[in-house]
Amino acid sequence: DAGVTQSPTHLIKTRGQQVTLRCSPISGHKSVSWYQQVLGQGPQFIFQYYEKEERGRGNFPDRFSARQFPNYSSELNVNALLLGDSALYLCASSGTGELFFGEGSRLTVL
Amino acid sequence: KNQVEQSPQSLIILEGKNCTLQCNYTVSPFSNLRWYKQDTGRGPVSLTIMTFSENTKSNGRYTATLDADTKQSSLHITASQLSDSASYICVVSRGADGLTFGKGTHLIIQP
Repeated sequence: DAGVTQSPTHLIKTRGQQVTLRCSPISGHKSVSWYQQVLGQGPQFIFQYYEKEERGRGNFPDRFSARQFPNYSSELNVNALLLGDSALYLCASSGTGELFFGEGSRLTVL
Repeated sequence: KNQVEQSPQSLIILEGKNCTLQCNYTVSPFSNLRWYKQDTGRGPVSLTIMTFSENTKSNGRYTATLDADTKQSSLHITASQLSDSASYICVVSRGADGLTFGKGTHLIIQP
């Protein structure tokens, strides 16, 4: 079985641009959550979606948004990028509570 | 405030030696405690999940302990290998209220 897949794996943007990150959960998992991990820190919770409904939101500005599609895949959008948005963005899916993480999307904002 | 504190921040040990990583938490409500291993630039991988009633849980050379009374957990690595070099993250679940992540312990195994 395929694990959680994320795309793109790496990307470089400039300040003010917008970015969309994508995540495909493990087959059968209906919950997807997003995390931001700055170098040297633990992951910070951004969003959780379950059955296409937002179930939780972390302490992030409105520039961050997400959605979940009928096939349970998800997108994370970040508008008006700032230098501080440079991080590893992790997606995790869960079926019965345990989290399975993808390899992440490394975003660099110049 | 819900917090998970890990110590040490970083650790260097020789291959074959044992080590213990610490996790203290002030999280409420408590549902379970998880330890993850994260290789550099990769996603975290689950090592153990412990509920309130579990004191010890093993996964190969990794053994996690939980003292729910003192709100402390430890991860013991036996006979370390070079592949154990990674960050180890302690995560406390608040059930439907979400997860609280520690900053991790960066472990380096030297040959």
